[in-house]
Amino acid sequence: DGGITQSPKYLFRKEGQNVTLSCEQNLNHDAMYWYRQDPGQGLRLIYYSQIVNDFQKGDIAEGYSVSREKKESFPLTVTSAQKNPTAFYLCASSLREGLGELFFGEGSRLTVL
Amino acid sequence: GENVEQHPSTLSVQEGDSAVIKCTYSDSASNYFPWYKQELGKRPQLIIDIRSNVGEKKDQRIAVTLNKTAKHFSLHITETQPEDSAVYFCAASKYGNEKLTFGTGTRLTIIP
Repeated sequence: DGGITQSPKYLFRKEGQNVTLSCEQNLNHDAMYWYRQDPGQGLRLIYYSQIVNDFQKGDIAEGYSVSREKKESFPLTVTSAQKNPTAFYLCASSLREGLGELFFGEGSRLTVL
Repeated sequence: GENVEQHPSTLSVQEGDSAVIKCTYSDSASNYFPWYKQELGKRPQLIIDIRSNVGEKKDQRIAVTLNKTAKHFSLHITETQPEDSAVYFCAASKYGNEKLTFGTGTRLTIIP
């Protein structure tokens, strides 16, 4: 079953701790993205990557970091520098050509205690 | 950067009636305008998109219109059905999917 898988689905973190969210795709897509979804604010782009070993900051990159060592994987680390990390995080992928559908994962809900 | 405003934030429509959701964008260079539907507890999915060289696009009960001069685009759903209940997001970009800016979403409720 081709698709994009995020884990964990729910995650709790204490203040001051870093946490890494996993995103894996088997669609052979070159481009991958991380979005943050907050109530009433839509989806905001955190980071994106068009090719292995390269990634770009989105609109709200502060307090986050990513890596793209493999085409299939694009993990997101929420660091202790992120002031308001409690949110729903969505990973997506698409063909590198840019136009066409974003395929989203089911999301990861992070709660900071 | 791009700014996308979406209205209304909530919309209730009687089953069988039409629903219209409107978005405006700020960057006149934007040329790609997709619409995503997110059902409760599910992932967003693309339902229709339009590029700036086209004024209207239809897919069965769904249509999108684009007015480049006014910098606004709209989603039209006709003959609404209960399964149309969801949150709808518009988006705009001048770089394709690379830097999509999303609207804040419209929660559409179809009343049986």
